[in-house]
Amino acid sequence: AQKITQTQPGMFVQEKEAVTLDCTYDTSDPSYGLFWYKQPSSGEMIFLIYQGSYDQQNATEGRYSLNFQKARKSANLVISASQLGDSAMYFCAMREGARSNFNKFYFGSGTKLNVKP
Amino acid sequence: EPEVTQTPSHQVTQMGQEVILRCVPISNHLYFYWYRQILGQKVEFLVSFYNNEISEKSEIFDDQFSVERPDGSNFTLKIRSTKLEDSAMYFCASSASLPEAFFGQGTRLTVV
Repeated sequence: AQKITQTQPGMFVQEKEAVTLDCTYDTSDPSYGLFWYKQPSSGEMIFLIYQGSYDQQNATEGRYSLNFQKARKSANLVISASQLGDSAMYFCAMREGARSNFNKFYFGSGTKLNVKP
Repeated sequence: EPEVTQTPSHQVTQMGQEVILRCVPISNHLYFYWYRQILGQKVEFLVSFYNNEISEKSEIFDDQFSVERPDGSNFTLKIRSTKLEDSAMYFCASSASLPEAFFGQGTRLTVV
């Protein structure tokens, strides 16, 4: 089974609107971390936001928030007030295990977001 | 802000040749990783490295691959005899005690 599933290969959003990028995960480990990374066309991977499996509240970082629904095993990324510079590939990722801060990432297949002016 | 630096940004090599991809992780980080991304596909784990030894490797990381931390700052990935299917973007990453890992800008390897 896939550890991370991103079902939206591509998304369009109008500038200044909010957009939700979907991510579901699969693990039997009670301790894990969920991440979102942004990959612009230049290729680098930029860390956006993190959610720990024991965190009670949804993570937020500026215009990014993570809608964490543990029972549904989903970790959707919400980008508010989209900007043209948000156009990029977005990857959901997971680290699992008791020492998950150091374990390998499992990445999803990515969602390409295009922000329209 | 500290960052992970990778060189070169793009390397073209002939099939069968050896290549060394170089990385300078963030200075106080202890865990180092290599990932690769074949064009249009997901990012795949290759190897993790801690305390001067491999802590985990994937099935992709076969005998043609090796990693080394030759001094206190560099972290290298060597591919001994490149194949066409090794063409990919290779990412180095490092982490400390924080949950997130920091990735370099990648090296695009093209095997011809």
